Amino acid sequence: GQQVMQIPQYQHVQEGEDFTTYCNSSTTLSNIQWYKQRPGGHPVFLIQLVKSGEVKKQKRLTFQFGEAKKNSSLHITATQTTDVGTYFCAAAGGTSYGKLTFGQGTILTVHP
Amino acid sequence: NAGVTQTPKFRVLKTGQSMTLLCAQDMNHEYMYWYRQDPGMGLRLIHYSVGEGTTAKGEVPDGYNVSRLKKQNFLLGLESAAPSQTSVYFCASSYHPSRRGAGDTQYFGPGTRLTVL
Repeated sequence: GQQVMQIPQYQHVQEGEDFTTYCNSSTTLSNIQWYKQRPGGHPVFLIQLVKSGEVKKQKRLTFQFGEAKKNSSLHITATQTTDVGTYFCAAAGGTSYGKLTFGQGTILTVHP
Repeated sequence: NAGVTQTPKFRVLKTGQSMTLLCAQDMNHEYMYWYRQDPGMGLRLIHYSVGEGTTAKGEVPDGYNVSRLKKQNFLLGLESAAPSQTSVYFCASSYHPSRRGAGDTQYFGPGTRLTVL
């Protein structure tokens, strides 16, 4: 089945530093989604990328979809303690119609 | 709207016991999903449903059964619980993937933390 690799597994940063997590697939994706899960909480949808080379911004968060639609990244500028949590990419495509394949997630810790 | 709700929130079982987890959604979503989340493993799909009366296997279906008798409810059953099924279980729902603008964005419930001793 479809596999999605997400790195790094953990990231510790000082407040104010930047943070990036990467997602890679061996197959072409129809779209990729990003979710955030706060400690003790449930995954919450952040954004969906559909077009090749697409870049979307939400305040300090920048999301990119690769030209070949096989990779994606989430970049946070000047992290804050409220950014703490696990960030998941989730891929849709191929024979997995209606299903998402989640990456392993990146656990972000922000030290004040 | 309550969104996606799950009951119970916590449960402790002994090996061999059975239980049913209930998921309910009030968004009129066609698709519903059951995931388990384990440290370092992300979210793994157990079973899913594309509509009332239909179910399908996901990535890790063994030891679980599901039913979707009503569009708004999706039940996950463990017939004979094992310690390997200790996990956090999340239910999610979505519109049909072809729905314009909504795509296949999934909405998650708060989760059920299950411990099997």
